[in-house]
Amino acid sequence: EAQVTQNPRYLITVTGKKLTVTCSQNMNHEYMSWYRQDPGLGLRQIYYSMNVEVTDKGDVPEGYKVSRKEKRNFPLILESPSPNQTSLYFCASSSLAGHNEQFFGPGTRLTVL
Amino acid sequence: GESVGLHLPTLSVQEGDNSIINCAYSNSASDYFIWYKQESGKGPQFIIDIRSNMDKRQGQRVTVLLNKTVKHLSLQIAATQPGDSAVYFCAESPGGKLIFGQGTELSVKP
Repeated sequence: EAQVTQNPRYLITVTGKKLTVTCSQNMNHEYMSWYRQDPGLGLRQIYYSMNVEVTDKGDVPEGYKVSRKEKRNFPLILESPSPNQTSLYFCASSSLAGHNEQFFGPGTRLTVL
Repeated sequence: GESVGLHLPTLSVQEGDNSIINCAYSNSASDYFIWYKQESGKGPQFIIDIRSNMDKRQGQRVTVLLNKTVKHLSLQIAATQPGDSAVYFCAESPGGKLIFGQGTELSVKP
C-alpha cells in the first residue's frame, strides 16, 4: 500500500531535549516536505526536499533541521525543542517538486513542556 | 509577504446543495494551485489541482475555478454529502514551496 508513515504519532517531551520525528514514503517520490499545523494558522511549510541531499527552507524553518540521505526518508530534527514548537506535524511526499498530488502522513502531535 | 487566505472560516450547507469555497492568493509567481480536504484527526487529502494556464478544471463532483486577474480560486462541490464535512484548504505553489490558506470548515446539514 502506497503510504507516508510518521513516527512517533504522539510525543510529549521537555524543553531542550533533542528529538527526531521520522518520515518514510514507499512511493519513490522525489519531493518530501514537513509542515506544522496550528489553530488559526493553517499548515505552514518548515522544510522541503526535491531529492536526495537537496533541502530548502520553507516558511518557518527556525528551530528545525532536516536531512535527506535516502530517497524514502526525511527526518525532522528538533535540536533543542521549545514550547512554541508544540504543534501537529505532517510529512508529505509527491512525485514532482510540489507540482503533483502530495500524499500526507497521519501526523505527529508534539507537546513540549 | 506571501499569503493565501480564505474568505470564510466556516460554511454550512444543506445536504444535496452545492457548496462554494473561496480562496484569495497573493503571489503572482504561483503557477500551480491545489485544494485539500482534511477530516478530523487525519492528514490533508488531495482533491483537485489546477495550473495557471487553465481557468477551470473538473473532477468527480468537484470543480476548481481560477481567476488570475483578481488572484482568486474557488472550489465547487456539487450535491454536497455528509461525507464532505471537513476543513478545506487551498494552496499555491510558487516554485518548490507550498503555501496553504487557513482553511474553511464545511458542515453539511442532513
